[in-house]
Amino acid sequence: SQQGEEDPQALSIQEGENATMNCSYKTSINNLQWYRQNSGRGLVHLILIRSNEREKHSGRLRVTLDTSKKSSSLLITASRAADTASYFCATVPSGSARQLTFGSGTQLTVLP
Amino acid sequence: ETGVTQSPTHLIKTRGQQVTLRCSSQSGHNTVSWYQQALGQGPQFIFQYYREEENGRGNFPPRFSGLQFPNYSSELNVNALELDDSALYLCASKRGLEETQYFGPGTRLLVL
Repeated sequence: SQQGEEDPQALSIQEGENATMNCSYKTSINNLQWYRQNSGRGLVHLILIRSNEREKHSGRLRVTLDTSKKSSSLLITASRAADTASYFCATVPSGSARQLTFGSGTQLTVLP
Repeated sequence: ETGVTQSPTHLIKTRGQQVTLRCSSQSGHNTVSWYQQALGQGPQFIFQYYREEENGRGNFPPRFSGLQFPNYSSELNVNALELDDSALYLCASKRGLEETQYFGPGTRLLVL
């Protein structure tokens, strides 16, 4: 079963705009990670935020984590057509064997 | 490039058959996980191997089994294939307790 849900399921924006995707999850976690997937191929790790962190940056990416609300957001600034992909949040539940539990993903389309 | 390869890239089988999917990880990656991703869904955890022993399993029946070898390669075996087994199968590897997993490009299995 899926741990969480991404919102929105699909997002279409113009190049240069910012894209924000949200993720909610159900159980306590060790960390939360965001992955990107192009056209049903392998996933690429983008960023990891630990349960004791509130915000993290990597290049054009900004991730926030609110453990009290069991939610996270991914912001991609100054989007490019090459950012078009599916984005998934994945959690490592507390006490697990460190397997990832994925949400259902957001399909981002950046129009040139 | 993540350094993780999978073979074959595509496979067509008929219901009731058996299939073996292969994954080759980076040197030193002694933990490998397998995920099933149905169309339009996030990946679901099948199982994880650490130093050739299974150390975590998701909600998949025993007809899904695996092996991990000392040369950082691994296999996913599925017996008695069912139509619902049609999916993208992803392997992911990492070193021990590291938190970032590196995904292969996947094998797309179609069961007719």
